[in-house]
Amino acid sequence: NAGVTQTPKFRVLKTGQSMTLLCAQDMNHEYMYWYRQDPGMGLRLIHYSVGEGTTAKGEVPDGYNVSRLKKQNFLLGLESAAPSQTSVYFCASCGGSSYEQYFGPGTRLTVT
Amino acid sequence: RKEVEQDPGPFNVPEGATVAFNCTYSNSASQSFFWYRQDCRKEPKLLMSVYSSGNEDGRFTAQLNRASQYISLLIRDSKLSDSATYLCVVNPDSWGKFQFGAGTQVVVTP
Repeated sequence: NAGVTQTPKFRVLKTGQSMTLLCAQDMNHEYMYWYRQDPGMGLRLIHYSVGEGTTAKGEVPDGYNVSRLKKQNFLLGLESAAPSQTSVYFCASCGGSSYEQYFGPGTRLTVT
Repeated sequence: RKEVEQDPGPFNVPEGATVAFNCTYSNSASQSFFWYRQDCRKEPKLLMSVYSSGNEDGRFTAQLNRASQYISLLIRDSKLSDSATYLCVVNPDSWGKFQFGAGTQVVVTP
């Protein structure tokens, strides 16, 4: 049981490049989330999904897109990376009645 | 005003001492509350859920004060391994969206 996994763990992009972050969970959770964490600001919700095929905007969605084609996967895309998107990105999932979230190990992204 | 606010600390605690800190939230309709622990350069991990009037798990006690809209975390008999950042998390609605505080850093010293 791997829980929540994220790939890649680290990435450096140049301004304007694109990339996709992959999150996978094997707990059959309905809800999945993408957060970014910046110093002194806590985790901020980018996008989330309440089930396969559905996505919704969170607190800071601009510059990001997501897709949830399969229940176990939640993809986060950056179409044209900007230095302001330098951050640590965490994926999380939860399900059942407890609302307890399980986090992936994070992706450290630097945009130069 | 942030929706979930925490004292960033650091709280410097001698080993064996007790430390307590609070988290305030702005949405009075919030239903679920959690404390997560985050170690440096690691992902957050659930420490405790706080669903009603409070919760105790070993050396950790979490309390909820709905009237004043805050939750607290108390750590007794602090261990060096308790050094971490503690994140307050609030679920303001039933759709599973969560709001995070910026975290309170605790440093336990020998």
